[in-house]
Amino acid sequence: DAMVIQNPRYQVTQFGKPVTLSCSQTLNHNVMYWYQQKSSQAPKLLFHYYDKDFNNEADTPDNFQSRRPNTSFCFLDIRSPGLGDAAMYLCATSRATRTVPYGYTFGSGTRLTVV
Amino acid sequence: AQKVTQAQTEISVVEKEDVTLDCVYETRDTTYYLFWYKQPPSGELVFLIRRNSFDEQNEISGRYSWNFQKSTSSFNFTITASQVVDSAVYFCALSRVDSGNTGKLIFGQGTTLQVKP
Repeated sequence: DAMVIQNPRYQVTQFGKPVTLSCSQTLNHNVMYWYQQKSSQAPKLLFHYYDKDFNNEADTPDNFQSRRPNTSFCFLDIRSPGLGDAAMYLCATSRATRTVPYGYTFGSGTRLTVV
Repeated sequence: AQKVTQAQTEISVVEKEDVTLDCVYETRDTTYYLFWYKQPPSGELVFLIRRNSFDEQNEISGRYSWNFQKSTSSFNFTITASQVVDSAVYFCALSRVDSGNTGKLIFGQGTTLQVKP
């Protein structure tokens, strides 16, 4: 009974061709995060939703967008993928409040390859 | 500025050895939370522990133990009698407590632990 599901597990896209990664959760957590992790590096936060409130990190490129149509689903859109966007994309959920963090539940990730 | 440093990039041990993973953090906040996550070769990060800055008691969970020392800004993780299944990348992380943070984590660079049979 997987709780945070990311699809697809592997995604190959062409340079410049829009791509969407999806994340769903059965935990009813109010916060959903998208992290980018490149090889041998720490995960880097792109943005997160606290309920319906979208929070973008200052250094997240405009090329990356996100949608959260309901509590269960969150999407990461890359409008024009470049070679530098090849990475593992991790979705995580949490029941954090605005001031108290809790442990994340991560999905298995989507490994994006740009050709 | 907030920062987490895991100085050990890679550690290799033989099964049944004890191993300690170091984590040093920087923050000016008096209230904060610290975390450890495990990332096995499959890629999915797994939450191990959360500790708030007011709780300096050491914690033990099976073969895992954590030593939090506020005086040295360290939150070290020890695996006793290591096993091959412990082979993974381990991340230490820091989270602030403020109205805008909503649980965001600042990760260290990770320590790759290899346990050989």
